[in-house]
Amino acid sequence: AQKVTQAQTEISVVEKEDVTLDCVYETRDTTYYLFWYKQPPSGELVFLIRRNSFDEQNEISGRYSWNFQKSTSSFNFTITASQVVDSAVYFCALSEETDSWGKLQFGAGTQVVVTP
Amino acid sequence: NAGVTQTPKFQVLKTGQSMTLQCAQDMNHNSMYWYRQDPGMGLRLIYYSASEGTTDKGEVPNGYNVSRLNKREFSLRLESAAPSQTSVYFCASSAGQGDVDRYEQYFGPGTRLTVT
Repeated sequence: AQKVTQAQTEISVVEKEDVTLDCVYETRDTTYYLFWYKQPPSGELVFLIRRNSFDEQNEISGRYSWNFQKSTSSFNFTITASQVVDSAVYFCALSEETDSWGKLQFGAGTQVVVTP
Repeated sequence: NAGVTQTPKFQVLKTGQSMTLQCAQDMNHNSMYWYRQDPGMGLRLIYYSASEGTTDKGEVPNGYNVSRLNKREFSLRLESAAPSQTSVYFCASSAGQGDVDRYEQYFGPGTRLTVT
């Protein structure tokens, strides 16, 4: 069963618009980690953020912000004032404590297209 | 530091041919992973190695074998390639169990494999 769901396949925005990517996860573990990765057109995977299950504080890093809500099992990602360089596929991923070796379970990804 | 390196970057095989994808990391990480990425499916774990000398199956191991040659190197072998194995293959590494950063994975640049 899919443990990480990214319902949005593709989002298209015009530069300077905000864009929010949804991520819903499923786990029975009380300790787990959530991640966001970016995959630009060049193909490499770029780590963006890691959040553990005990830290529900929202986080802001420049134009990026993350909203973690355990009550709804969601870990959403917002890009503020989008730029063309934000065009990429964004993946949400889960690592569960019962899997002590840190295996990642990825969502299917959301393609973000930012046009000038 | 080069991080995680993969060779080759591109490969075309005919059905039934064999090949080995090479991966090496220079971060003294204990755990290493092989993923495949297919359109619309995110990344799926093929095999992983929690530590030197151990390997375990992931979500989609059929048709593949792995070798953890030493702490640095983790290879993926296709014994008899099939068109269904056409994909982009990523190698990753992480510090592994016992380390506070064990859940953070670092990815190589990927190998684009086409089987005709």
